[in-house]
Amino acid sequence: QKEVEQNSGPLSVPEGAIASLNCTYSDRGSQSFFWYRQYSGKSPELIMSIYSNGDKEDGRFTAQLNKASQYVSLLIRDSQPSDSATYLCAVNRGDSNYQLIWGAGTKLIIKP
Amino acid sequence: KAGVTQTPRYLIKTRGQQVTLSCSPISGHRSVSWYQQTPGQGLQFLFEYFSETQRNKGNFPGRFSGRQFSNSRSEMNVSTLELGDSALYLCASQQTLGGGYTFGSGTRLTVV
Repeated sequence: QKEVEQNSGPLSVPEGAIASLNCTYSDRGSQSFFWYRQYSGKSPELIMSIYSNGDKEDGRFTAQLNKASQYVSLLIRDSQPSDSATYLCAVNRGDSNYQLIWGAGTKLIIKP
Repeated sequence: KAGVTQTPRYLIKTRGQQVTLSCSPISGHRSVSWYQQTPGQGLQFLFEYFSETQRNKGNFPGRFSGRQFSNSRSEMNVSTLELGDSALYLCASQQTLGGGYTFGSGTRLTVV
């Protein structure tokens, strides 16, 4: 079982709709959760971090965390073509605050 | 505030050669991590340094090594290059324990 799992996609969403990206993790001791966006040929860019159960909103982005079920999700409202990218989920090791475990990423395509 | 700076941006090397990549973290960030990214393998952790000490190392052969200087700048070295070492090498710095990483633009290494 992979430590951090994401659906590789591609996930195709119409422009203006809500894109929903999911991530599950195996380490129950994990406390820090991150979503990164990576455009083709570019480096990952941190877009959301979440540390406690519930929702965290930042503009069109909402991160949701459920530690009991060990999943974290990212919602993108009013999806734009510029949101087309690969989204990486990262989770800290339960025994190490400084090492992240990465999912393989979900490719998101927003269709105009 | 300057971001994470990686040099060079691009490199072409021949099999058997060695290469040194450089990373300057964001000012004040003492933790530097290195990753290898290939299309098929995603982000693979190489090693992480904090205050000139390697705190963790990924599952890479001994040909891959690194170090960190007193000013937090870090270098990684790959000796006896193989074709499979062709990848995007990313450096990331972390400000606080448990916080997210900020990535540099990466060094794209091509081994021919």
